[in-house]
Amino acid sequence: AAGVIQSPRHLIKEKRETATLKCYPIPRHDTVYWYQQGPGQDPQFLISFYEKMQSDKGSIPDRFSAQQFSDYHSELNMSSLELGDSALYFCASTPRGAEIQYFGAGTRLSVL
Amino acid sequence: DQQVKQNSPSLSVQEGRISILNCDYTNSMFDYFLWYKKYPAEGPTFLISISSIKDKNEDGRFTVFLNKSAKHLSLHIVPSQPGDSAVYFCAASGPSGAGSYQLTFGKGTKLSVIP
Repeated sequence: AAGVIQSPRHLIKEKRETATLKCYPIPRHDTVYWYQQGPGQDPQFLISFYEKMQSDKGSIPDRFSAQQFSDYHSELNMSSLELGDSALYFCASTPRGAEIQYFGAGTRLSVL
Repeated sequence: DQQVKQNSPSLSVQEGRISILNCDYTNSMFDYFLWYKKYPAEGPTFLISISSIKDKNEDGRFTVFLNKSAKHLSLHIVPSQPGDSAVYFCAASGPSGAGSYQLTFGKGTKLSVIP
């Protein structure tokens, strides 16, 4: 069965650079969630989208923005990167209103 | 403030025995609870869930118990197998914006099943 696809799997950036992470949900899933997991930490909710509209917002810095496109894929844009942004970024998808989220393998971002 | 707590960072169990992973929560608005299993370099994999209207849900070797009055849930794995060795995350959700069900995670328990 198709899973959530995230790209790239690994990304190395320098401070103050920008990064774009992509997420392709499971087919027919129209809701996308983004989470950030720092070293030794639990995943923290950043933002979610349903039908291309932001549906909920968590602890996402103002330097980050995200959107969902007409094919339901989502992109997380990160600007003015800081060392503390180094983390695993997970995307999850669900059909509308479903509570079980299915996660991608994540993007490991390293900011040097 | 950690709303979902997994107080045991690690647990070692002999193969064939029962593994019991515990989770406590503080937010009474949570109404759905999930367990995820995570291997290194992979994303969390859904294992089993339970709604707050139930007190038990079973799926093969995995059973989740919910005690709402104590705000406590547990995951039982019987019998434990070496392939179960992974980090287990407890997660909770409640109604939020526009049909979104953001998950709040615990810090995880690393389970090691010893052959």
